[in-house]
Amino acid sequence: SQQGEEDPQALSIQEGENATMNCSYKTSINNLQWYRQNSGRGLVHLILIRSNEREKHSGRLRVTLDTSKKSSSLLITASRAADTASYFCAPATSGSRLTFGEGTQLTVNP
Amino acid sequence: DAGVIQSPRHEVTEMGQEVTLRCKPISGHDYLFWYRQTMMRGLELLIYFNNNVPIDDSGMPEDRFSAKMPNASFSTLKIQPSEPRDSAVYFCASSPPGQGGNQPQHFGDGTRLSIL
Repeated sequence: SQQGEEDPQALSIQEGENATMNCSYKTSINNLQWYRQNSGRGLVHLILIRSNEREKHSGRLRVTLDTSKKSSSLLITASRAADTASYFCAPATSGSRLTFGEGTQLTVNP
Repeated sequence: DAGVIQSPRHEVTEMGQEVTLRCKPISGHDYLFWYRQTMMRGLELLIYFNNNVPIDDSGMPEDRFSAKMPNASFSTLKIQPSEPRDSAVYFCASSPPGQGGNQPQHFGDGTRLSIL
């Protein structure tokens, strides 16, 4: 099954800085989804980018997709302490299942 | 709108006991997923249903695990007998109509299971 691999595993930044997380995958996809998980909570869907899209924005989030390199990135601008969480990418193929990677643990220091 | 509701939030039980985890998906969603999350193995898909029918149970670890979806608003994941290695956080998620992989999944807050 298709699994995304997030990089870096952990990222620590100061409030106000930008945070960039990367995701690589191995086979063709229909779309790629990003999720956030706060400690002790379930995953929350952030953004879905389709294979024919190159960039998508949602508030302070910017996602890019490069299907030729089989990679995606999630940029959080002007980070806040509340953005501290684990972030997961999930490439989606033609089936209905998503396979999540290990995630990037983001810490935003006040 | 109410999100995905899971119960109980925490369960502590002794090895060998039967454990039943419950999930109420979002109304109108026709896909339901059960995941398990551990530090060692990350987030693993156990089984998913479409329109109450199990579609893929290849992630169910062994026969001690079973899942049912008797109707569109309720699903259970049962472990019998339970073992300490089953300790994990179990998540239920649902997604709206349309091929499941092309829709966002909505997760419950999970059941933290500890088997002593």
